[in-house]
Amino acid sequence: DAGITQSPRYKITETGRQVTLMCHQTWSHSYMFWYRQDLGHGLRLIYYSAAADITDKGEVPDGYVVSRSKTENFPLTLESATRSQTSVYFCATSFADTQYFGPGTRLTVL
Amino acid sequence: AQKVTQAQTEISVVEKEDVTLDCVYETRDTTYYLFWYKQPPSGELVFLIRRNSFDEQNEISGRYSWNFQKSTSSFNFTITASQVVDSAVYFCALSEAVNTDKLIFGTGTRLQVFP
Repeated sequence: DAGITQSPRYKITETGRQVTLMCHQTWSHSYMFWYRQDLGHGLRLIYYSAAADITDKGEVPDGYVVSRSKTENFPLTLESATRSQTSVYFCATSFADTQYFGPGTRLTVL
Repeated sequence: AQKVTQAQTEISVVEKEDVTLDCVYETRDTTYYLFWYKQPPSGELVFLIRRNSFDEQNEISGRYSWNFQKSTSSFNFTITASQVVDSAVYFCALSEAVNTDKLIFGTGTRLQVFP
């Protein structure tokens, strides 16, 4: 029972490149979320999705794009990566008003 | 506006000491949820507890206990007889019942337990 998986787990890219982080859940939970974790900020919500084809902005959406064509997948795309997007990214799903997190993706933008 | 404050950035203790991690929250809603998550050195986020605003009973789970006080808007977490495996970053978080998909995190407290 994998729950939530994220890929890749580590990624190094260059400024200006497009990067897509993948998130997959095996539970079929309706809600899915993307957070970024930065020192001194805790976790901040980037985007979330209430169901397939329904997405909404969180606290820090600029520079990111999401889509959700299938319930189980929620990819996050950085259209033109910047150094300020160097961070650890967590995907999460929600069940019974509690969010459960994937293992995270550490992204470095050079 | 919602806000979660974890004033303790880092705490160091020696094994077997008791330690309390503080969490203070702000919300205008009367119905809300409070959470604690653990992030060990391996990096994953582990759910520890959820408490709703109508349930002020303290909770104990093994060496972990949580003290929820609405009067002081606090939801503190105590580890009794700490162990090296308790070393982690601990996050307190809040969501309001009208919008449970919006989880607001504190900045975390790093706990280091030395042998």
